[in-house]
Amino acid sequence: GAGVSQSPSNKVTEKGKDVELRCDPISGHTALYWYRQSLGQGLEFLIYFQGNSAPDKSGLPSDRFSAERTGGSVSTLTIQRTQQEDSAVYLCASSLPPPTGELFFGEGSRLTVL
Amino acid sequence: QKEVEQNSGPLSVPEGAIASLNCTYSDRGSQSFFWYRQYSGKSPELIMSIYSNGDKEDGRFTAQLNKASQYVSLLIRDSQPSDSATYLCAVNRGALINNQGGKLIFGQGTELSVKP
Repeated sequence: GAGVSQSPSNKVTEKGKDVELRCDPISGHTALYWYRQSLGQGLEFLIYFQGNSAPDKSGLPSDRFSAERTGGSVSTLTIQRTQQEDSAVYLCASSLPPPTGELFFGEGSRLTVL
Repeated sequence: QKEVEQNSGPLSVPEGAIASLNCTYSDRGSQSFFWYRQYSGKSPELIMSIYSNGDKEDGRFTAQLNKASQYVSLLIRDSQPSDSATYLCAVNRGALINNQGGKLIFGQGTELSVKP
């Protein structure tokens, strides 16, 4: 695709439910990143993929959070048993090989946990 | 100590003035440094990258890097109201050689307001 695509753009869920957020990176971008941005805050690093492997998962807030990437392309971020503090915009970004720091971001998935 | 620190602002400058945005980082081994701009309700977009000490100019933007002081700055000359946004400093802790690149750590961002 022309850019990084994320879905859903908005998700409202009840506390305790599981949610899946999807990211489709720019074709040919081998690096994929997930960040979280709460209202008025900076970007909190969650996880980084190089190909299908995740060299760095250190930012995942708890074991309720997991992510996978298949075929070196689409990635899914799963949040189990959602809590109100999980409410945020989840941003996905991809970059050209090698990872250069020149990230291209998607429009984000806004998650609201009631 | 946060890994990447920025003053949250808001920084307010009049149209036509120079806006100066500052960032410090804690990891002395950091290799690459970036400035992203984020308009309200939008995603960040890259505006400048800098890898070696000194200044790098691109149009109205100048990035400055001082690795000894662990300091990065962004100057915006002839500021315009359209420059009003949050500016995010980002630092790559990984090396860029051997196809290895690490995670990009962002600061909290500095909100810039350019008044007409």
